[in-house]
Amino acid sequence: GAGVSQSPSNKVTEKGKDVELRCDPISGHTALYWYRQSLGQGLEFLIYFQGNSAPDKSGLPSDRFSAERTGGSVSTLTIQRTQQEDSAVYLCASSQQSGLAGGPGETQYFGPGTRLLVL
Amino acid sequence: AQKITQTQPGMFVQEKEAVTLDCTYDTSDPSYGLFWYKQPSSGEMIFLIYQGSYDQQNATEGRYSLNFQKARKSANLVISASQLGDSAMYFCAMSNQGGKLIFGQGTELSVKP
Repeated sequence: GAGVSQSPSNKVTEKGKDVELRCDPISGHTALYWYRQSLGQGLEFLIYFQGNSAPDKSGLPSDRFSAERTGGSVSTLTIQRTQQEDSAVYLCASSQQSGLAGGPGETQYFGPGTRLLVL
Repeated sequence: AQKITQTQPGMFVQEKEAVTLDCTYDTSDPSYGLFWYKQPSSGEMIFLIYQGSYDQQNATEGRYSLNFQKARKSANLVISASQLGDSAMYFCAMSNQGGKLIFGQGTELSVKP
């Protein structure tokens, strides 16, 4: 079946502009996650959605970052007034379920990422 | 606080030999999952293997096996019969009741012909 898809694959923007990144999870997956990976670094958690529950926004670095998930499927990550330090790869992942304390259903499958460059 | 530590920034292995990538973790949660991901130069994150904290046996997936030592809080990845295509970054990660993954800094594996 289809995996996680993300668009755009690459985005170049000017400092101060807003950007929107899109994620389409695997069909049937109830949990969706956003991570950020700066050059040569590990992944940094940003936000996650589980079903109809309130999202866990604990990883968002500032109030310039927001995300929504419409209809329990597609998600959009928005960065307002972009800064050069926002340049990174933004990765989306989905899993069958979440909150089961480390069960196999929490295995996260990643999309190809969006490479964001802020000039 | 939960933490994943990968102490090997880079590793070399000869083609067809086995290699072990180290991972230690720290958590106070009794229930958690451990995962390994492969990230080739193309940037995609590829799921390799999963180990649950209550699993009695070490996980295996083809040429990948996870050497889980709960008392030592280690979850090393063993790749047998290395192939040139195994050259990539490898990340160890942990999940808990919060759902999100906590990642280590990664190990860059280079397979030599």
